[in-house]
Amino acid sequence: EAEVAQSPRYKITEKSQAVAFWCDPISGHATLYWYRQILGQGPELLVQFQDESVVDDSQLPKDRFSAERLKGVDSTLKIQPAELGDSAMYLCASSPYPLTEAFFGQGTRLTVV
Amino acid sequence: TQLLEQSPQFLSIQEGENLTVYCNSSSVFSSLQWYRQEPGEGPVLLVTVVTGGEVKKLKRLTFQFGDARKDSSLHITAAQPGDTGLYLCAGEGGTSYGKLTFGQGTILTVHP
Repeated sequence: EAEVAQSPRYKITEKSQAVAFWCDPISGHATLYWYRQILGQGPELLVQFQDESVVDDSQLPKDRFSAERLKGVDSTLKIQPAELGDSAMYLCASSPYPLTEAFFGQGTRLTVV
Repeated sequence: TQLLEQSPQFLSIQEGENLTVYCNSSSVFSSLQWYRQEPGEGPVLLVTVVTGGEVKKLKRLTFQFGDARKDSSLHITAAQPGDTGLYLCAGEGGTSYGKLTFGQGTILTVHP
């Protein structure tokens, strides 16, 4: 069964350092989402791609966060510099169209110390 | 920004009991989805409802979309410990076309 792949699963980094997360969506899915989830809360959309284009990044803290999907397939989310408040689960999801069922990866658990 | 409010935020029950989780908004959604998430994993879609008044059943789970497409409920009959998890509703449509907005979730614990 096709899955959304994310790496790493866990990441511990010191504040002020740079960190990057990678996501490989299900093959053929044009829409890709990055969400941030605080423990015990609902996911918050950071950025949404349609193919290689950003269609919504209104909640992305652009002073420190960046996201790209250069070839319209896999995607990278970067934080530089990381802050203590960035500790959270970062979830990637994909769907064939915006918006049908979203398939989520297992996420990357980030801890900033 | 369209907001979805879920209630209750926490629910702790004994095995065999019934429960209902609510998802409410002041905005109209084109569709509403329910997800279940286990600790350390990503959310998994349970159901999508798109028509006002729609009722869908998935084994012991019953989902309903409000007539005005502003609210939804999830009812679980005879809860089991395996139902334990974070239940999330998410709406799409209206001013958030193509964007999935999540509620804050309901943490359900079913004790044996």
